[in-house]
Amino acid sequence: GAGVSQTPSNKVTEKGKYVELRCDPISGHTALYWYRQSLGQGPEFLIYFQGTGAADDSGLPNDRFFAVRPEGSVSTLKIQRTERGDSAVYLCASSRFGGQGTGELFFGEGSRLTVL
Amino acid sequence: SQQGEEDPQALSIQEGENATMNCSYKTSINNLQWYRQNSGRGLVHLILIRSNEREKHSGRLRVTLDTSKKSSSLLITASRAADTASYFCATDAGAGNQFYFGTGTSLTVIP
Repeated sequence: GAGVSQTPSNKVTEKGKYVELRCDPISGHTALYWYRQSLGQGPEFLIYFQGTGAADDSGLPNDRFFAVRPEGSVSTLKIQRTERGDSAVYLCASSRFGGQGTGELFFGEGSRLTVL
Repeated sequence: SQQGEEDPQALSIQEGENATMNCSYKTSINNLQWYRQNSGRGLVHLILIRSNEREKHSGRLRVTLDTSKKSSSLLITASRAADTASYFCATDAGAGNQFYFGTGTSLTVIP
């Protein structure tokens, strides 16, 4: 597609369940980012991929969070044993190259996760 | 933390007036970007200014950067109701792996 696509757009789950959020970046973009945004806050960095590898995962809050990008395109953010505090909008962004002096990020519409 | 801080947190103006938002950050940067977010939607890139630039224009947008003060401002001239949104600055530093977003300015333009 022409833009970054994220699915599902909304996910409601129960505390303790496992959740997967998918991101399909713009074709040809090598850099992919995951952010988390809570209500009234700015996006908070989670993880950055350059190609297939996680170049920087320092923003992942704990080991319940994991992300993959096996073929250097689609990425999946995985959250185990969800907690109510995980409720937020998870944003995915891609850029053409990544790294120092990267240009604009192209964001998807986000996946809103609600943990009951 | 590198995270930027926007000021003011909220701004309400009449259509046709100019809107100015400020961003401050903490460490040296490669570039600074401004993004816009409509309620419940993704972020849209507005403008990028590099660390060696001082001012940049794009349509009704004017961005300034003062690296000595670690601050930037975004000016929207002749505002329209459609400019109502939240505006965020984002900075990258070092290897540029992370983009740090501020807390945002919520702009309301009253028709």
